[in-house]
Amino acid sequence: QKEVEQNSGPLSVPEGAIASLNCTYSDRGSQSFFWYRQYSGKSPELIMSIYSNGDKEDGRFTAQLNKASQYVSLLIRDSQPSDSATYLCAVSAGGTSYGKLTFGQGTILTVHP
Amino acid sequence: DTGVTQSPTHLIKTRGQQVTLRCSPISGHKSVSWYQQVLGQGPQFIFQYYEKEERGRGNFPDRFSARQFPNYSSELNVNALLLGDSALYLCASSYGTSNQPQHFGDGTRLSIL
Repeated sequence: QKEVEQNSGPLSVPEGAIASLNCTYSDRGSQSFFWYRQYSGKSPELIMSIYSNGDKEDGRFTAQLNKASQYVSLLIRDSQPSDSATYLCAVSAGGTSYGKLTFGQGTILTVHP
Repeated sequence: DTGVTQSPTHLIKTRGQQVTLRCSPISGHKSVSWYQQVLGQGPQFIFQYYEKEERGRGNFPDRFSARQFPNYSSELNVNALLLGDSALYLCASSYGTSNQPQHFGDGTRLSIL
């Protein structure tokens, strides 16, 4: 079992729709959860961080965390073509693991006009 | 504020050679982490340094080494290069604690011939 798994893509949604990206993780001790966006040929860009159960909203983005189910998701409302990118879920175990982020394989999102 | 800066942006080497990659963190950030990203995969953790000490090491061979300087900049060294070392090498900085988000530089794209 992979440590961090993301829903298989690619994911294609029409402009204006809600895109839903999912991620599960295996380490129950994980404490910090991040979503990064990576455009083709570019480096990952942090878009959301979440640390406690529930929802966290930032503009068109909502991150959801359920530690009991070991599940984290990202919703993108009113999707735009500029949202087309690979979305990476990253998990940090914290404690003595310090700054080690474990990434999923990424989900490619395409928003078509 | 200046973001994480990495140099060089691109590098071409041949098998058996050695390479040094450089990273300057965001001002005020004391932690630097290195990741390797091959095409189609999420970044893989190589090292983390905090206050000039190694605080974490990923599952990479001893050919990979790194260090952090008093000004918090960092170098990643790879010896005896193999074809499989071809990848995007990413540096990320954070303030220091394990829960702090990491911000990535643009990366160094290393190609081994």
